[in-house]
Parts: sequence; C-alpha cells; structure tokens
Amino acid sequence: QSVLTQPPSASGTPGQRVTISCSGSSSNIGSTNVNWYQQLPGTAPKLLIYNNDQRPSGVPDRFSGSKSGTSASLAISGLQSEDEADYYCASWDDSLSGVVFGGGTKLTVL
Amino acid sequence: EVQLVESGGGLVQPGGSLRLSCAASGFTFSSYWMHWVRQVPGKGLVWVSRVNSDGRSTNYADSVKGRFTISRDNAKNTLYLQMNSLRAEDTAVYYCARPVEATRNGLDVWGQGTTVTVSS
Repeated sequence: QSVLTQPPSASGTPGQRVTISCSGSSSNIGSTNVNWYQQLPGTAPKLLIYNNDQRPSGVPDRFSGSKSGTSASLAISGLQSEDEADYYCASWDDSLSGVVFGGGTKLTVL
Repeated sequence: EVQLVESGGGLVQPGGSLRLSCAASGFTFSSYWMHWVRQVPGKGLVWVSRVNSDGRSTNYADSVKGRFTISRDNAKNTLYLQMNSLRAEDTAVYYCARPVEATRNGLDVWGQGTTVTVSS
C-alpha cells in the first residue's frame, strides 16, 4: 500500500489529453513539492516534472503538472504512442522523513 | 556527459551483506544530495535512502533503517549503500539518483541499476 495513491491504469487515443491523479496527505503533498517520473519498460525512470509544475530541459511542454491541497495531477496533451509507459508521483513526507512514491499508473495509448 | 554507474549487486544469502557503489561523473558530485531507489521487477519504485552533499545528514526508509547505511566519498565521486542483514524482500534493482540542481528530491539523473538477489 503506497503512501501516495494513483490509479493503476489510464488510457487514451493519440492526440487526446489524459490526466493522472496523485492523492496524498498534509504530511507530504500538502506541505512539500511533487515530482513526476516516466518509466519505459526495461529502463530507468525519467524525471518529467519537479517542484509541482517545472519541466526539466528536454521534456516536451505536452507534459504539465499541477498541485492543489493534498492532491496533484500530471497532464499529457497530444498523446503519442511513445507516451505509453508507467508514471509515478513522488513527494517528501515530513512525518516519515523520507521520499514517498505513488504506486504507479500504467498508461496505455489505444 | 553526466553519468551514474552502479556496481556491487549480486546473489547473497539471507542475513548476508553487500555493498553497492555508484560512480558519478560529468558533474560536481560534492554539490548534490544523492539517493538510492529500488524496484522489484514488475513492481513500483521504492525510495531507500538519501545523503546530503557533505555526507553528514542521512535519511532512510523505515524498511531498511538500522540495516542499511548510505555514505559517500566526495574525493572519489562515489556513493555507497552498505546493506546488512539482508532479507528476501530486499531483492530488487537498486538505482542511485541525483536530484535537479538546487533541489533535494526531484531525481533527474539515474544510473542503469544493479540487481540484488537475496536467496538461499
């Protein structure tokens, strides 16, 4: 059972906009920044969004992040087949004094 | 090129020990916090530990506290994870990772991972 809650799966068709939610609590998302990762099969994770809504250089602006209260969301617009991957949210947890990850969302591009 | 290369994984019996290393290159290693994250194949990411830039401040996941020790040698640009009293549930791919500059936890550089298998 992960501290951060994500839907196990999501799907969309090419060109669509999809969102992935991440729910936490006042000790993590509610008080610290959220980061999002993409993991393609057999590869190391890749940072997509940091500090809630910042994109590292090289990440397309199709990817965006937002946070409100104790929840966060990752939005992917103009969905492409290469976006099919696992997506994880993560945040620092003040109560645990550690980083917590969501359980991951498997995105399928139909 | 910014790079992290893990080594030291392998097969170890329950109760045994292993030390993982992560060699950093292409950036000023001594300026960054560093993390270890693990993943059972087919399962999700699990954070293990982090250490601050000078090695004096550390944090651990509850599941490894008291058994694992994170450390670093800034002169050698190397991060370590000493793993003692290993259990079957520690079996995973272990990644070292570096955060985005000026942050502590947004991990933007990852190694390729090293596999640890705890089994008799």
